[in-house]
Formats: sequence, C-alpha cells, structure tokens
Amino acid sequence: GAVVSQHPSRVICKSGTSVKIECRSLDFQATTMFWYRQFPKQSLMLMATSNEGSKATYEQGVEKDKFLINHASLTLSTLTVTSAHPEDSSFYICSAPRGLYGYTFGSGTRLTVV
Amino acid sequence: EDQVTQSPEALRLQEGESSSLNCSYTVSGLRGLFWYRQDPGKGPEFLFTLYSAGEEKEKERLKATLTKKESFLHITAPKPEDSATYLCAVLYNAGNNRKLIWGLGTSLGVNP
Repeated sequence: GAVVSQHPSRVICKSGTSVKIECRSLDFQATTMFWYRQFPKQSLMLMATSNEGSKATYEQGVEKDKFLINHASLTLSTLTVTSAHPEDSSFYICSAPRGLYGYTFGSGTRLTVV
Repeated sequence: EDQVTQSPEALRLQEGESSSLNCSYTVSGLRGLFWYRQDPGKGPEFLFTLYSAGEEKEKERLKATLTKKESFLHITAPKPEDSATYLCAVLYNAGNNRKLIWGLGTSLGVNP
C-alpha cells in the first residue's frame, strides 16, 4: 500500500518549453506533497511543499514562478517547470508523508533540457 | 548548525562481508530518523523509522540502531542485490515547525 505514482519517468524537452510532472497517490489521500530535486551524487533538496487546496510553500532560493506547483485534489499534485533551461535538468521526486512509515516517494522524473 | 552526516561516502564489500553505515546528526528535538534505500534512477524506498535512543529495528539482512547522536545501519552477510545508495534523514522540531534534512548517502556496492 501507500504508492505514489509519478509520471513521466523521463522527459527531454527543448529550452524555453514547459514540462509538467504529475504525482498521484494511488491508495491513500495525500494532503501534503513534498517536491525534491536531486543532482548526481547529491542529497535530496527540498524545493517546495504543496498542500491540497492552498498555495505551495517554497524553500528559499526556489523561484515560485518557474516551478509552478498545483495540488488541486487529495490524490494529485503537479510540478510544472516553466521556460525550462539546461540548468533545470535534474532528477525531480515527489514524496508524501506516511506517519510511522516516514515518507513514500514517487519513482522520480529525469528531466533533460536541450 | 543542524546537520546530518553519513559515512562512509562509498563502501565496497564482498558478498557475505558484514559492515555498518553511519548517520550522525546534530539537531535538537529529534522526532524521527529514517533510513531509505535508493537505486539508480529511482525514488527512495523506505526501510526504517527510529524514534528514540536505544531503539533497534530489523528487516532481513538490515538492522538499524539509534543513539542520541547517531544511527547505524548494520548489513549482515550482504548480497549483490543489496547494492544501492542508503540515505538517512532526520525529522526534528525547528521553532514552531518540523524540518526534515537528508544526508548525502552511502553508496554501497557488493561484489559477488
């Protein structure tokens, strides 16, 4: 149980275009979703926290106009990378809190901007 | 400064050669320490949560322990399929909020 489905797993896009990443909680309701990015051989860096029905909270240094987060329902949170540039290329992962079981993660999205 | 430090950065073992990974932390108001396994190109997979010093948890060849300043992940008689990056994260009270910080991980390779 407690599965978070993340799509797409890989995406290549042209510089200047936008990319949407979806995370769905399949068998539970996720009132909160955390969005991370991870660079090679580096730890998870929290970008923002989304809460169903309210505005996302962004970490210091993360551009909210560039990384649009929407959490319109209890089972779906989306991250849209707008006007993507090569420096946005990274591994993006979503995560939902699961109480005693810590946090359940999506399988990640490898974004490559060319 | 609140920090989570994992060591070693990388470890290579022979199959069957037991060892331990370390996660040391300098936070106050610990609410929980988590261990995760991450395979390349995948999201982290939950292993254990530890809440208080002295607590231990086991799962197959893995055993996690916790003291007031560090946690160990003991791997007994590892197999090649245990090769992965092991991540540690600490949830703690930060003012009126809770914060979660991650270590950089230990990359474990197990040779057959």
